[in-house]
Amino acid sequence: GDSVTQMEGPVTLSEEAFLTINCTYTATGYPSLFWYVQYPGEGLQLLLKATKADDKGSNKGFEATYRKETTSFHLEKGSVQVSDSAVYFCALSARGSQGNLIFGKGTKLSVKP
Amino acid sequence: GAGVSQSPSNKVTEKGKDVELRCDPISGHTALYWYRQSLGQGLEFLIYFQGNSAPDKSGLPSDRFSAERTGGSVSTLTIQRTQQEDSAVYLCASSLQERNTIYFGEGSWLTVV
Repeated sequence: GDSVTQMEGPVTLSEEAFLTINCTYTATGYPSLFWYVQYPGEGLQLLLKATKADDKGSNKGFEATYRKETTSFHLEKGSVQVSDSAVYFCALSARGSQGNLIFGKGTKLSVKP
Repeated sequence: GAGVSQSPSNKVTEKGKDVELRCDPISGHTALYWYRQSLGQGLEFLIYFQGNSAPDKSGLPSDRFSAERTGGSVSTLTIQRTQQEDSAVYLCASSLQERNTIYFGEGSWLTVV
């Protein structure tokens, strides 16, 4: 079945460091891909998405590119801030589905000043 | 309201008791989802409602779990004869229609003792 695998955390970085969180997926056809973020004490929020191959999603300085050839959707940010500390979830929505999301297990990011 | 609203935010119950969790989706959203977030399991899909169609119950883990959606708006997730393994955060989400961006509530944290 469809699945999402993302790098296990926790990830600890210093402020202004470069961030990469790896995400790969398994799906039939061409799913839509998402990154959700969960800040401490808050609900899941959509961070960015891409709906077809080679699309780049971006928001708040974060980027991810839909790579069909490597079935990946890695999340990157050039310079993280303390306020980026959160849990990040990669997810897919399979073509032909009702839009139901399949999530990775989440990666906890801590950014230290 | 502005977002997906869930209640209670926290619930502690004794093993064997029944619990009801409520979700009020974003006004006008026809699609409603329930997910469960537990340690080590990530986010699991439970059930999906779309308009007046029959719900997709394929993610419900056992027959102790059920959900209904009245009038196409508010939804209640019921867990009967709770077990300790039911302890988790139960997340509700909605979208304008299927395959649109999904918005999550802050969740109901259930602890079974």
